[in-house]
Amino acid sequence: SYVLTQPPSVSVAPGQTARITCGGNNIGSKSVHWYQQKPGQAPVLVVYDDSDRPSGIPERFSGSNSGNTATLTISRVEAGDEADYYCQVWDSSSDHFYVFGTGTKVTVL
Amino acid sequence: EVQLVESGGGLVQPGRSLRLSCTASGFTFGDYAMSWVRQAPGKGLEWVGFIRSKAYGGTTEYAASVKGRFTISRDDSKSIAYLQMNSLKTEDTAVYYCTKNKRIHFDYWGQGTLVTVSS
Repeated sequence: SYVLTQPPSVSVAPGQTARITCGGNNIGSKSVHWYQQKPGQAPVLVVYDDSDRPSGIPERFSGSNSGNTATLTISRVEAGDEADYYCQVWDSSSDHFYVFGTGTKVTVL
Repeated sequence: EVQLVESGGGLVQPGRSLRLSCTASGFTFGDYAMSWVRQAPGKGLEWVGFIRSKAYGGTTEYAASVKGRFTISRDDSKSIAYLQMNSLKTEDTAVYYCTKNKRIHFDYWGQGTLVTVSS
């Protein structure tokens, strides 16, 4: 089955830039989606189709995807961005049509 | 405003059954596929299964971990999606989220309902 690998944690100071990677075999050929999950809450879509933002999501959130790595970038990080972040792709050849990454905890110092 | 409200979670013994419901509002329910995603305590997200809209046959797909035990259905007249869980195992303990599918991602999520499988 298709595997998406994320770093367990990323730490960033307020106002700086956080980059969260999502590694997968030739992931650049797939569309990647990103979700933010704050403690005790449901996930929220923050980026879809590699780099598009749903309405209401700040421009500080951006995405890119190429080769074997997709990246979610959070610019000018705020305390409220502290959360778990998950990448996701569709892979109909997998035993999980929808595959999630392992998740990254973003800590704002 | 899109809303998804799950219900039906609780404590159940191993081997027993449980049915979860997801009541939707704020969009034309019948036009969209719906999924269930779960999250074991302290763990990541796992897709459980989805049901296509009637326009695409209303067919279902499941993760290998639940195939043959779980069944997803829908009642478009009531805007409700169901997750029937049979032969439950302790490893099925999780918060179960209902999601609205938008092509190949999930654009809205419910608040989740906790299912605990324990004797």
